[in-house]
Amino acid sequence: AQSVAQPEDQVNVAEGNPLTVKCTYSVSGNPYLFWYVQYPNRGLQFLLKYITGDNLVKGSYGFEAEFNKSQTSFHLKKPSALVSDSALYFCAVRDDNFNKFYFGSGTKLNVKP
Amino acid sequence: GAVVSQHPSRVICKSGTSVKIECRSLDFQATTMFWYRQFPKQSLMLMATSNEGSKATYEQGVEKDKFLINHASLTLSTLTVTSAHPEDSSFYICSARQGALSEAFFGQGTRLTVV
Repeated sequence: AQSVAQPEDQVNVAEGNPLTVKCTYSVSGNPYLFWYVQYPNRGLQFLLKYITGDNLVKGSYGFEAEFNKSQTSFHLKKPSALVSDSALYFCAVRDDNFNKFYFGSGTKLNVKP
Repeated sequence: GAVVSQHPSRVICKSGTSVKIECRSLDFQATTMFWYRQFPKQSLMLMATSNEGSKATYEQGVEKDKFLINHASLTLSTLTVTSAHPEDSSFYICSARQGALSEAFFGQGTRLTVV
């Protein structure tokens, strides 16, 4: 069965500092991994995905994520955080056998000025 | 990226009435659409998956007679909450997928309040 874990409910970082939001996954086949961001009372916005290829994936708004097969991780990163990055971030894995996306529990990112 | 439009964004209805929520893919054909429910400060709970022209596949514990899903075309899926009750109050989000390797694109969500 596919699953995604986001071990941190909340991440606090100062503006200008690098940020990392952690995600680990469990899949039975090839991992198809995604990151989404959600602002209050809004749907989810796609940030980036890993399907195949380079382990470092670059996405929207300066975010990137590193796929690490040995550690089964797909952590989201940004070199310099902005206050406007404060939001709820979801990691997801897609199960092609059942045509579903499985979401992590979400991590609230707080960027303080 | 692709755009998914969900309407209405907010609805208040009386207990016992039905509410329809629309989800449209504006610039692509969605082979699959998903309906989620999100409780405050929680993750998304998948309710059902719908493929165009076929019946929706509901997740365990989701009442198919309560949450009617219709995916009549490649650009439109609807979720109807029938005989709504206060416990149905929630944030409902749809998403659509274009093809086999596509990410899911999300609508802006619908805040349903049943009074």
